[in-house]
Amino acid sequence: GENVEQHPSTLSVQEGDSAVIKCTYSDSASNYFPWYKQELGKRPQLIIDIRSNVGEKKDQRIAVTLNKTAKHFSLHITETQPEDSAVYFCAAFNTGNQFYFGTGTSLTVIP
Amino acid sequence: ETGVTQSPTHLIKTRGQQVTLRCSSQSGHNTVSWYQQALGQGPQFIFQYYREEENGRGNFPPRFSGLQFPNYSSELNVNALELDDSALYLCAIGGGGGPTPLNGGELFFGEGSRLTVL
Repeated sequence: GENVEQHPSTLSVQEGDSAVIKCTYSDSASNYFPWYKQELGKRPQLIIDIRSNVGEKKDQRIAVTLNKTAKHFSLHITETQPEDSAVYFCAAFNTGNQFYFGTGTSLTVIP
Repeated sequence: ETGVTQSPTHLIKTRGQQVTLRCSSQSGHNTVSWYQQALGQGPQFIFQYYREEENGRGNFPPRFSGLQFPNYSSELNVNALELDDSALYLCAIGGGGGPTPLNGGELFFGEGSRLTVL
């Protein structure tokens, strides 16, 4: 089965700086890679996703890059704001009809 | 707004008991999946239902079972509760899964049911 690893587990940045979270996956059949943000006590919500036929996708301050050969993908948040503080999860989906989630990164943006 | 609703929001059970968790959505989506999220961990896939049939299962024992009803609401049942079953249980609709899934899609999660087993 698929194995998704996520690093770092915790990340603190100064407001305005950039944050990068990295994930690796093991199954080359995985073809869809979403990122979810989960605020304390709230449900996970999709913030950006990328499919295996694309190398990079950007949405305002958030971007995701995918390297299929190396089987890794990364979340980039620029100009961080205090409201970006949350736990972020990467995930991989393959044709086994299943999402595999990483263990999460707790991001703290220091004002 | 997909409006995924889960109940109950919190519950406490003792070892060996059984629990039923419920999920419904305003949109009546035909795909529903359940996840277990232990404290400090990512969601772990339990199973998925598409049009009332289970069409995907994660690495969970048979004492985890489910149902999807004609109105696409769903239940997760856990028998013979163990201490390690203590977790947040999330229901999600969407995800792109179906009888022959090719591409994933956005999962819309409910707020979850937090189960504590004593």
